[in-house]
Amino acid sequence: QKEVEQDPGPLSVPEGAIVSLNCTYSNSAFQYFMWYRQYSRKGPELLMYTYSSGNKEDGRFTAQVDKSSKYISLFIRDSQPSDSATYLCAMNKAAGNKLTFGGGTRVLVKP
Amino acid sequence: DTGVSQDPRHKITKRGQNVTFRCDPISEHNRLYWYRQTLGQGPEFLTYFQNEAQLEKSRLLSDRFSAERPKGSFSTLEIQRTEQGDSAMYLCASSSDRGSGNTIYFGEGSWLTVV
Repeated sequence: QKEVEQDPGPLSVPEGAIVSLNCTYSNSAFQYFMWYRQYSRKGPELLMYTYSSGNKEDGRFTAQVDKSSKYISLFIRDSQPSDSATYLCAMNKAAGNKLTFGGGTRVLVKP
Repeated sequence: DTGVSQDPRHKITKRGQNVTFRCDPISEHNRLYWYRQTLGQGPEFLTYFQNEAQLEKSRLLSDRFSAERPKGSFSTLEIQRTEQGDSAMYLCASSSDRGSGNTIYFGEGSWLTVV
């Protein structure tokens, strides 16, 4: 079983809808949690970064971390076709340490 | 700030040949990472440098793989005697130990196809 699990999708939503993404993990040592967006044949782009449990908002993006449940979420409000991409969750145990990624969720936002 | 730069972006090679990828991290980033990503999967950690020291290597990094970071600047990843299973995207990332020390930026990747 992988340390970080993520539904591969695809998740298809109409433009303007809220996109809800999540990951579960098994290792309680993870302290830092990130979400990356990856377009086809491109490198991952950092979207959100949170430390420990709690919520963080940045524009249309909200990240939530529930360490007691080992569950993290990313919400995208007012989704746009340009949000169509693969979303990767990632986490590490200490600042600067290697990241452990989920397998990614493919999102399609239809006009 | 030009971002993490990787070269070449695409490489097609015959099985058994050696290939080398180069990564130039963001200026003044002292940490550098290599990951491998296959289609439909998330990136998998290969190795990590802090300055010129290679601090961690994954079990995925067989003895056919070698990474270097001379002088703590750019890094190279060499794959010897390539196999078809080496076909993947090789991603380089960098970060700084200043500030939060945990904002890790990725390059666009180097695609390897072994035929």
